[in-house]
Amino acid sequence: KAGVTQTPRYLIKTRGQQVTLSCSPISGHRSVSWYQQTPGQGLQFLFEYFSETQRNKGNFPGRFSGRQFSNSRSEMNVSTLELGDSALYLCASSPQTSGGAGVLDTQYFGPGTRLTVL
Amino acid sequence: DQQVKQNSPSLSVQEGRISILNCDYTNSMFDYFLWYKKYPAEGPTFLISISSIKDKNEDGRFTVFLNKSAKHLSLHIVPSQPGDSAVYFCAAISTGANSKLTFGKGITLSVRP
Repeated sequence: KAGVTQTPRYLIKTRGQQVTLSCSPISGHRSVSWYQQTPGQGLQFLFEYFSETQRNKGNFPGRFSGRQFSNSRSEMNVSTLELGDSALYLCASSPQTSGGAGVLDTQYFGPGTRLTVL
Repeated sequence: DQQVKQNSPSLSVQEGRISILNCDYTNSMFDYFLWYKKYPAEGPTFLISISSIKDKNEDGRFTVFLNKSAKHLSLHIVPSQPGDSAVYFCAAISTGANSKLTFGKGITLSVRP
């Protein structure tokens, strides 16, 4: 079974631009979560999508948004990029079923997209 | 406010010895804990987990201990191997509705041959 894939793997943008990152979950997984990893803050939860609906959201500004398609693929968008948005953005898929966001199933992470904002 | 804390940023251990990675949490609602390992240029991979109804879970060379009263958990790796060199993240969750995984900042483990 193919793992979680993320595209692109590396991206360089300038301040003020916007960026869209893509995540394809493991086949059959319906939950997709996004995380930001920085050296100073570690891994921080951005949001989770399940069946095309945002089910949970972390403490990030509205510049960070996402969506999920009917095939469970997910995109994350960051508008008006700031230098501090430079990070590794990780996507994780989970086989959890509907009925609450209790993540007892383990999440499977993709390799991440390294975003550099200049 | 960091609800999951990994206060030691790095740990260096001799091959064959025990590695002990510590993690503290502040949210008493957390009832499920996980450890992830991350190599450079790869996403984190699940290592081992423990429910709050247990105080120990073992899987091969990896054992996680949970001390609920101290809000502390630790990951023991015995014996440590050079291939264990990676960043280890502790994560916690309250398994109710709308819960989400909260991660620590990670510990870089180096196992010296």
